Amino acid sequence: QKEVEQDPGPLSVPEGAIVSLNCTYSNSAFQYFMWYRQYSRKGPELLMYTYSSGNKEDGRFTAQVDKSSKYISLFIRDSQPSDSATYLCAMSAYNNDMRFGAGTRLTVKP
Amino acid sequence: DADVTQTPRNRITKTGKRIMLECSQTKGHDRMYWYRQDPGLGLQLIYYSFDVKDINKGEISDGYSVSRQAQAKFSLSLESAIPNQTALYFCATSGPRGTDTQYFGPGTRLTVL
Repeated sequence: QKEVEQDPGPLSVPEGAIVSLNCTYSNSAFQYFMWYRQYSRKGPELLMYTYSSGNKEDGRFTAQVDKSSKYISLFIRDSQPSDSATYLCAMSAYNNDMRFGAGTRLTVKP
Repeated sequence: DADVTQTPRNRITKTGKRIMLECSQTKGHDRMYWYRQDPGLGLQLIYYSFDVKDINKGEISDGYSVSRQAQAKFSLSLESAIPNQTALYFCATSGPRGTDTQYFGPGTRLTVL
């Protein structure tokens, strides 16, 4: 079993839809949770960073962490065609290697 | 200018050839990483370096070697390339903690025939 599981999709939604992206994990030592966005032919770039359980909001993006269920989510409100990308979850225990999910490819259609 | 650069951006080579991928960064970070990305598998860590004298194997180091020539430069070598090393390779840098944000280069697409 992989330490981090992420549905690779692809996921296709109409413009304006609410998008939900999810990851599960098995290592209870993970405390730092990140979402990276990767456009085609580009390297991943950090989108959201959260520590421990709870919610974090940044504009149209909300990251949720439920450590009791070992489950993290990224919500995108009012999705735009420019949000079309691959989204990777990543997580780490303190001072340890970061582990990435496989990435979910999202397409937002105009 | 980009903070993390990789050369070459694309490379096609033949089985058995030696290949070097290079990474340079201007962020002043001590930590540097090499990952490979395959469809459906996400990013897998090959090697990482905490400073010039500290190099560590990652999840999938077999068939790869690295050299940290300076704080700003970290190279990945395939001594004898094989077709299943065909992948997208990314270099990344980060601050001093393992939980610090990683900054990625644009990637090198390597094809081994």
